[in-house]
Amino acid sequence: NAGVTQTPKFQVLKTGQSMTLQCAQDMNHNSMYWYRQDPGMGLRLIYYSASEGTTDKGEVPNGYNVSRLNKREFSLRLESAAPSQTSVYFCASSESGHETTRGANVLTFGAGSRLTVL
Amino acid sequence: DAKTTQPPSMDCAEGRAANLPCNHSTISGNEYVYWYRQIHSQGPQYIIHGLKNNETNEMASLIITEDRKSSTLILPHATLRDTAVYYCIVDRLIIQGAQKLVFGQGTRLTINP
Repeated sequence: NAGVTQTPKFQVLKTGQSMTLQCAQDMNHNSMYWYRQDPGMGLRLIYYSASEGTTDKGEVPNGYNVSRLNKREFSLRLESAAPSQTSVYFCASSESGHETTRGANVLTFGAGSRLTVL
Repeated sequence: DAKTTQPPSMDCAEGRAANLPCNHSTISGNEYVYWYRQIHSQGPQYIIHGLKNNETNEMASLIITEDRKSSTLILPHATLRDTAVYYCIVDRLIIQGAQKLVFGQGTRLTINP
């Protein structure tokens, strides 16, 4: 059981380049999320998808687009990368929509994707 | 406005109990207290959550005061692998839909040999 898988793990871009971060979960979760974490900071929500077919903006959506490709996959796209987008990006999914054994709608996170924009 | 207040850092000796405090004086009646931790640069990991009763699982115990304005996460026998940033989060439980947790700065817990 892989959980949440993110690719790539590391990426270096030049200003203005575009790229897509991929995320896939194998836990049959309904909701998925993209967070970013800057050095010494907590995580900030970029976009989320409450269920397949829906996406919504989080706290810091500017400069990003997302696609909920199917129930398993949620991608994050940077159309024109800027140095301010240098960060570690975390994808997560949660077991919403049904009563869970822990009853907490727990978020399960991926290992992160470290992005540097020069 | 931040819903929770945590000390920025704490130290604990290996083998001792680590007690991490969290203040949430404006918590609403339907809001839960969640704890996650982040080891080095890994993704955050769920630890425990509670509403008003004390909770215990295989990882930790959560003690919530009777007025629910503060809580303490207890790691009963801390090991070096418990060195991490611990996040206390207050939010209402979302059963249908996204649980949009807001992560603050957390407490950096260092377990010393």
